[in-house]
Amino acid sequence: DQQVKQNSPSLSVQEGRISILNCDYTNSMFDYFLWYKKYPAEGPTFLISISSIKDKNEDGRFTVFLNKSAKHLSLHIVPSQPGDSAVYFCAASFTTSGTYKYIFGTGTRLKVLA
Amino acid sequence: NAGVMQNPRHLVRRRGQEARLRCSPMKGHSHVYWYRQLPEEGLKFMVYLQKENIIDESGMPKERFSAEFPKEGPSILRIQQVVRGDSAAYFCASSPPRQNSNQPQHFGDGTRLSIL
Repeated sequence: DQQVKQNSPSLSVQEGRISILNCDYTNSMFDYFLWYKKYPAEGPTFLISISSIKDKNEDGRFTVFLNKSAKHLSLHIVPSQPGDSAVYFCAASFTTSGTYKYIFGTGTRLKVLA
Repeated sequence: NAGVMQNPRHLVRRRGQEARLRCSPMKGHSHVYWYRQLPEEGLKFMVYLQKENIIDESGMPKERFSAEFPKEGPSILRIQQVVRGDSAAYFCASSPPRQNSNQPQHFGDGTRLSIL
């Protein structure tokens, strides 16, 4: 039962264009969503997040959009740069029994072409 | 300003041996999470610990796997009698004591476990 889904395993984008990575979730209890970036042989690095009470959060070239009614969020990177080539994980968290649980998607491999 | 430290980075074991993976959280962090990543798959939650307590182990296999986070020293993920299917990258993440869920986790660079 995959509660957080990233249906596109890979994405290729030309340098300077917009990259859009998508994520769908099923659990309406999630109250916080995060994006992580992962390079080979390294651990995931936190990129940007959004609370469930917001629909948009922006940080430089990175913007995350949340559509609660559709249970969908997306990460926009503009303009895309070759250094953005990595695997991007979407994650969602919620509180249960006083603790916090994070559920990760399977990742989308982004390749930015120079 | 050390981040989350995991060691060893690479660990090779033969079937039936024990594997011990260590994780030192970031300074000031008292929450530790362990995840497993199988080839071509995402991060699967295994266990969540605070100092001397296992908070959530719902992702841990019922047998052979155990985790601890003692009062002093690193968190340890222990796999007994390893099998080929245990080959994976194991990531540790830490976070500070928190008042709400809006705290991103900080990850180590993982331990790549290979079973011969």
